Amino acid sequence: GDSVTQMEGPVTLSEEAFLTINCTYTATGYPSLFWYVQYPGEGLQLLLKATKADDKGSNKGFEATYRKETTSFHLEKGSVQVSDSAVYFCALNQAGTALIFGKGTTLSVSS
Amino acid sequence: DAGVIQSPRHEVTEMGQEVTLRCKPISGHNSLFWYRQTMMRGLELLIYFNNNVPIDDSGMPEDRFSAKMPNASFSTLKIQPSEPRDSAVYFCASSSDRGPGDTQYFGPGTRLTVL
Repeated sequence: GDSVTQMEGPVTLSEEAFLTINCTYTATGYPSLFWYVQYPGEGLQLLLKATKADDKGSNKGFEATYRKETTSFHLEKGSVQVSDSAVYFCALNQAGTALIFGKGTTLSVSS
Repeated sequence: DAGVIQSPRHEVTEMGQEVTLRCKPISGHNSLFWYRQTMMRGLELLIYFNNNVPIDDSGMPEDRFSAKMPNASFSTLKIQPSEPRDSAVYFCASSSDRGPGDTQYFGPGTRLTVL
């Protein structure tokens, strides 16, 4: 079945450092890809998404590109802030179906 | 819009008791999902509905779990009897189901502790 693998955390960075969180997937057909973020004690919020190959999703300085050839959707940000500290989930779904999540990566940013 | 509403936010109960979790999806959304989050298993689907009809309940652990969606604005997830291993955060999410890439909007979750 479909699955998502993302890098294990925690990831600890200093403010203004460059962030990469790796995500690869296994899926039939052409899934949509998502990054969700979860702040402590809260539900998940959509960070960005891409629905077809070579699409780039972006939001709040975060970016990810749907790479079908490498089945990847790596999350990047050029300069992280303390407020970016959270758990990040890579996910996929086939149209209209439930999301399949990676295990999540905890990001901790210190000033 | 108020977003997805879940209640209660926290529930502490004793083993063997019945637990009912509630969800109100975003108005106009016709797909509703129940997910469970644990440290061991991460986020996993329990069940999802489309137009109030259960489509995939393969994630429901066992007969102790049941879910209903009597109308487009309300769903319940019931556990009877509850067990300590059911302790988790339960999320409800909804989407408009208009096509690929539809965003699922999550509620704040219900943190369930079964003693």
